[in-house]
Amino acid sequence: GPKVLQIPSHQIIDMGQMVTLNCDPVSNHLYFYWYKQILGQQMEFLVNFYNGKVMEKSKLFKDQFSVERPDGSYFTLKIQPTALEDSAVYFCASSLFGNQDTQYFGPGTRLLVL
Amino acid sequence: GDSVTQTEGQVALSEEDFLTIHCNYSASGYPALFWYVQYPGEGPQFLFRASRDKEKGSSRGFEATYDKGTTSFHLRKASVQESDSAVYYCALGYYAQGLTFGLGTRVSVFP
Repeated sequence: GPKVLQIPSHQIIDMGQMVTLNCDPVSNHLYFYWYKQILGQQMEFLVNFYNGKVMEKSKLFKDQFSVERPDGSYFTLKIQPTALEDSAVYFCASSLFGNQDTQYFGPGTRLLVL
Repeated sequence: GDSVTQTEGQVALSEEDFLTIHCNYSASGYPALFWYVQYPGEGPQFLFRASRDKEKGSSRGFEATYDKGTTSFHLRKASVQESDSAVYYCALGYYAQGLTFGLGTRVSVFP
């Protein structure tokens, strides 16, 4: 199926530092999403993004989080500053249409905040 | 708010057994329903979807039927193989919004 890439696969940082997670979505997709999964827990929606704007965000999308897709390149999730509770696997997804269209997921970035 | 409940947290089967994973949802509107499968170290892979009452989705021998009356989308496979060992997620979604996932069901198939 369609491939979504995520860079890096793992990241370890100290609490308070900034981190940027990168996502290379399916090439012709227009809608982009970030999800968070803490080990052993449910996958939870963070934010979705279309046409350069955040369309919807959950209560997990704290003020320290931001997303962008500069010049149609990577879709990024930035956390500044990081907190211990941000340790999780972050999955990027993309879809062509927004109307209940299928979302395709990347392999995830495993973030550990020390 | 919306929610998805998967009854089975873990399922252990032998090859050629019949698999059923129960998925029930609670939603205010008329969502699309999805099944995803996740292998170790990977992201969820789309299995199939359904968006109308009585619509059947299927892929790779797995199938589920959207039932608005019982608010269910149970996953079934007639004869599992060892390669079907994975975590299976039921999810619901609306227009361009984030998916709501169930907790997942870990399926282990033994030869």
